[in-house]
Amino acid sequence: DVKVTQSSRYLVKRTGEKVFLECVQDMDHENMFWYRQDPGLGLRLIYFSYDVKMKEKGDIPEGYSVSREKKERFSLILESASTNQTSMYLCASSFSDQPQHFGDGTRLSIL
Amino acid sequence: AQRVTQPEKLLSVFKGAPVELKCNYSYSGSPELFWYVQYSRQRLQLLLRHISRESIKGFTADLNKGETSFHLKKPFAQEEDSAMYYCALKKSGGYQKVTFGTGTKLQVIP
Repeated sequence: DVKVTQSSRYLVKRTGEKVFLECVQDMDHENMFWYRQDPGLGLRLIYFSYDVKMKEKGDIPEGYSVSREKKERFSLILESASTNQTSMYLCASSFSDQPQHFGDGTRLSIL
Repeated sequence: AQRVTQPEKLLSVFKGAPVELKCNYSYSGSPELFWYVQYSRQRLQLLLRHISRESIKGFTADLNKGETSFHLKKPFAQEEDSAMYYCALKKSGGYQKVTFGTGTKLQVIP
């Protein structure tokens, strides 16, 4: 069974901090994704990566960056956290064109 | 641009009643459609995809290219069906990004 693990379930940070959200998958998937999930807005894609060191912007990349140094790990970085980045963040991975597998999510609060 | 529309934020039905969760899409090419489900305090998971043409937990969905719809249906709702449902679309083949709808919360009333 595919395992997508997000490092934290809950995280509280302060405005202006640099925040790192980590995601690890154990199935050698080449594709990895970061979404944010907000009530009434559904899931919105922030960034995705289809290979090590490769990344592509999603629909809402502003204020975020990503890092994929190893195939199994995809990090989301909030360069300078702001209150409007308070949200649930979901990581997902997939193999080729197969459906995505999701992690449990990280509920991030920016104070 | 690809877009997915789920017109209902909340759908409440009684146990045993039929369920239809609506999903409409706009995409000029050949899409692949999915339904994902998120039960309370659980991770988002795939429910079904149109190319599989299968029934999962009693749910079915048919891709109607003429009406650009992919509605999710179940003849008799169960309490355990209460969850958040997301319709999603991607271009067929490859790693292309998936576009999700805004989701519909299904509430099955005992």
